[in-house]
Amino acid sequence: DAGVIQSPRHEVTEMGQEVTLRCKPISGHNSLFWYRQTMMRGLELLIYFNNNVPIDDSGMPEDRFSAKMPNASFSTLKIQPSEPRDSAVYFCASTSQAGTDTQYFGPGTRLTVL
Amino acid sequence: GQQLNQSPQSMFIQEGEDVSMNCTSSSIFNTWLWYKQDPGEGPVLLIALYKAGELTSNGRLTAQFGITRKDSFLNISASIPSDVGIYFCAGRATSGTYKYIFGTGTRLKVLA
Repeated sequence: DAGVIQSPRHEVTEMGQEVTLRCKPISGHNSLFWYRQTMMRGLELLIYFNNNVPIDDSGMPEDRFSAKMPNASFSTLKIQPSEPRDSAVYFCASTSQAGTDTQYFGPGTRLTVL
Repeated sequence: GQQLNQSPQSMFIQEGEDVSMNCTSSSIFNTWLWYKQDPGEGPVLLIALYKAGELTSNGRLTAQFGITRKDSFLNISASIPSDVGIYFCAGRATSGTYKYIFGTGTRLKVLA
């Protein structure tokens, strides 16, 4: 069975451009998480969906960030406009039940904003 | 965001040596997790701990839930080159929630 799939794996863009990161959770999982990882701040939870509904977006840094989950097999994280401080690795993770421990992480998208 | 303190930050060891690392918090947790992250990959769960004093093993890895509930420890016995990577702890204060606080990571390098 395929794991969590993220695309693109690497993204380089210029400041001010829109960036869209994509995630396909493991089939049958109903909870999806977006994380951001930086050297300075470590791994931070941005937003959490359960059954396609955003439950907690308190970790989203600011209004430039938005996330959607139009169906159970797809989610996007959008940054518009992007800034150099958004450079980080963005991970998507899924689990079969909210509150369980075994979150399966995708390989991440390394974003560089110039 | 809040982070847990892990130590050491990094370590070089010889193949075959045992490794110890720990994670401390100013808050009490009721769940501790240990993850390993390989270069270019996402974290993978190694061990989960749910009770103070609990000692759990996964192959050559052993983790303990500290008695104070403010710390946890991970030991790797007889290290091998594929143990290289970053080890993260994560703690949760409330059961049944998804909100984990992650540690700052311990970068392990094994010299063959």
